[in-house]
Amino acid sequence: EAQVTQNPRYLITVTGKKLTVTCSQNMNHEYMSWYRQDPGLGLRQIYYSMNVEVTDKGDVPEGYKVSRKEKRNFPLILESPSPNQTSLYFCASSLLPGQGYEQYFGPGTRLTVT
Amino acid sequence: GESVGLHLPTLSVQEGDNSIINCAYSNSASDYFIWYKQESGKGPQFIIDIRSNMDKRQGQRVTVLLNKTVKHLSLQIAATQPGDSAVYFCAENMGIGSNYQLIWGAGTKLIIKP
Repeated sequence: EAQVTQNPRYLITVTGKKLTVTCSQNMNHEYMSWYRQDPGLGLRQIYYSMNVEVTDKGDVPEGYKVSRKEKRNFPLILESPSPNQTSLYFCASSLLPGQGYEQYFGPGTRLTVT
Repeated sequence: GESVGLHLPTLSVQEGDNSIINCAYSNSASDYFIWYKQESGKGPQFIIDIRSNMDKRQGQRVTVLLNKTVKHLSLQIAATQPGDSAVYFCAENMGIGSNYQLIWGAGTKLIIKP
């Protein structure tokens, strides 16, 4: 089954404790992206990657890191989480950026930072 | 910065009626628009898209209309069913060429009354 998987689905952590949220897709997509979703704000892009070893900042990259060592994986790293990073996070992938290629979303990771 | 917005945060319709969800965008240079559906506890799911050189596009039970004169986008759902209950997001692509920069609206919650 074609899908985007994220782990963990739920995570409660404390301020400053490094964490990684994994994302994997099995559709051989070049493009992958991380979003955060907050009430009333829709989805905001954190980072994206157009191919292996190519990553770029989205709209809200502060406090986050990503890597793209393999085509299928795109982990999101919070080196020192803070309470304002409490949010619902989505990973997405698509064939190519640009017109006509829909993004496939993972199920989401709900992160709480206390 | 420019952003995508929605006229109504919540829309309540009778089962079987048609639903119309509206979206206003402010960037006249945006060339691609997408509608996503997000059910409770799930990631967004692609519904339909439209390019700026089109006024209308139809899918199965859904129609997207684009009015570039007033920078307005709408999603029409025919014969609304209980399974249509979700939050609907419009997004515009503000990227140029091979860049892909989706700006998302805050979402409209569609409630189906039995």
